[in-house]
Amino acid sequence: GAGVSQTPSNKVTEKGKYVELRCDPISGHTALYWYRQSLGQGPEFLIYFQGTGAADDSGLPNDRFFAVRPEGSVSTLKIQRTERGDSAVYLCASSPTLGQPQHFGDGTRLSIL
Amino acid sequence: AQTVTQSQPEMSVQDAETVTLSCTYDTSENNYYLFWYKQPPSRQMILVIRQEAYKQQNATENRFSVNFQKAAKSFSLKISDSQLGDTAMYFCAFMKHVLENAGNMLTFGGGTRLMVKP
Repeated sequence: GAGVSQTPSNKVTEKGKYVELRCDPISGHTALYWYRQSLGQGPEFLIYFQGTGAADDSGLPNDRFFAVRPEGSVSTLKIQRTERGDSAVYLCASSPTLGQPQHFGDGTRLSIL
Repeated sequence: AQTVTQSQPEMSVQDAETVTLSCTYDTSENNYYLFWYKQPPSRQMILVIRQEAYKQQNATENRFSVNFQKAAKSFSLKISDSQLGDTAMYFCAFMKHVLENAGNMLTFGGGTRLMVKP
């Protein structure tokens, strides 16, 4: 079956611009997670949705980062006024429900010039 | 807060041989899950093996097995009969066992780069 799909695969933009990253989870998975992976490091948690609501957004670094999941399926991670330090791979994962193993997408590599 | 430490930044092994990757963690939780994920250059994180902390028996998945020492907070991964396709970054990860919504995220270690040599 289809896995977690993330678009775009790569995104290059200038400092100060606004970006949106999209995640399409595995069908039927109610839990959706966003992580950020800087070069040479392990992924770090950003935000987690259970259904349509953000159950835990404690990993968002500041108020420039925001994510939505309006219909409980596709999620969009939004970054305003991008900075060079935002450059990283943004990974999305989904799981059937709480406590189940998370299945990851291929990530979006974001580069801020 | 939980922390996960992988003390081996890089390792190499000859194909068909066995290699062990180390992981230690720190937590005050009693119920939790531990995972090993593989990340090839394609970037996708692939689940290798999962261990529930309440289970004393070590998890095994084909050529992959773990040595889970709860008291020592150690969770090593053994890869037997290593294959060229095992070349990748390997991440150890921790997740609390929670029933409420918050706290259900993975905490990852810094990773170990494994190279399998022909």
